[in-house]
Amino acid sequence: EPEVTQTPSHQVTQMGQEVILRCVPISNHLYFYWYRQILGQKVEFLVSFYNNEISEKSEIFDDQFSVERPDGSNFTLKIRSTKLEDSAMYFCASSPDRLLNTEAFFGQGTRLTVV
Amino acid sequence: AQSVTQLGSHVSVSEGALVLLRCNYSSSVPPYLFWYVQYPNQGLQLLLKYTTGATLVKGINGFEAEFKKSETSFHLTKPSAHMSDAAEYFCAVAGGGADGLTFGKGTHLIIQP
Repeated sequence: EPEVTQTPSHQVTQMGQEVILRCVPISNHLYFYWYRQILGQKVEFLVSFYNNEISEKSEIFDDQFSVERPDGSNFTLKIRSTKLEDSAMYFCASSPDRLLNTEAFFGQGTRLTVV
Repeated sequence: AQSVTQLGSHVSVSEGALVLLRCNYSSSVPPYLFWYVQYPNQGLQLLLKYTTGATLVKGINGFEAEFKKSETSFHLTKPSAHMSDAAEYFCAVAGGGADGLTFGKGTHLIIQP
């Protein structure tokens, strides 16, 4: 069964460092998303991506964040200069159509720890 | 703006007992409502969703949820709990043309043998 895969499963980085979280969405999907969950808090929407551009982003997704689909298969989330408060579980998701018309499939998540 | 409130961060039921996980939402537009489940070390999996039409929605693994507009609720139920139902359950809302889901904090379901 096709699935969304995320690497690495756990990443530790020093404050101020750049980090790239990687995701391979399901191959025929057109919409891609990043969510995050700070420990003990709710899952929060960060950004959606369609047709090689951001279609929607939340207030959390500031200039420190960027997304890219560099090669037609990977979908990455970059945090330029990590802060302690960026420590969270980051989930990638993809869907074949707009979310309201279909289902989003989520990856297992990458746990980012900023020290 | 949309929001979701899940009452009870932890719910414990006996195997074979009724499961009831509560979800209330706030939305300024007709909502689309979702329940997701997360098993340990796995991603979020869609259990069921309500978009339009019948207000009682049936999902996978014997779960169902009923959309009650007057109560702004979308509670998740299962008549008889199984040990394999132990997981984290998330209620979410979308609408107004938004791409993203707004999630609740989640409810950890514990099944007692």
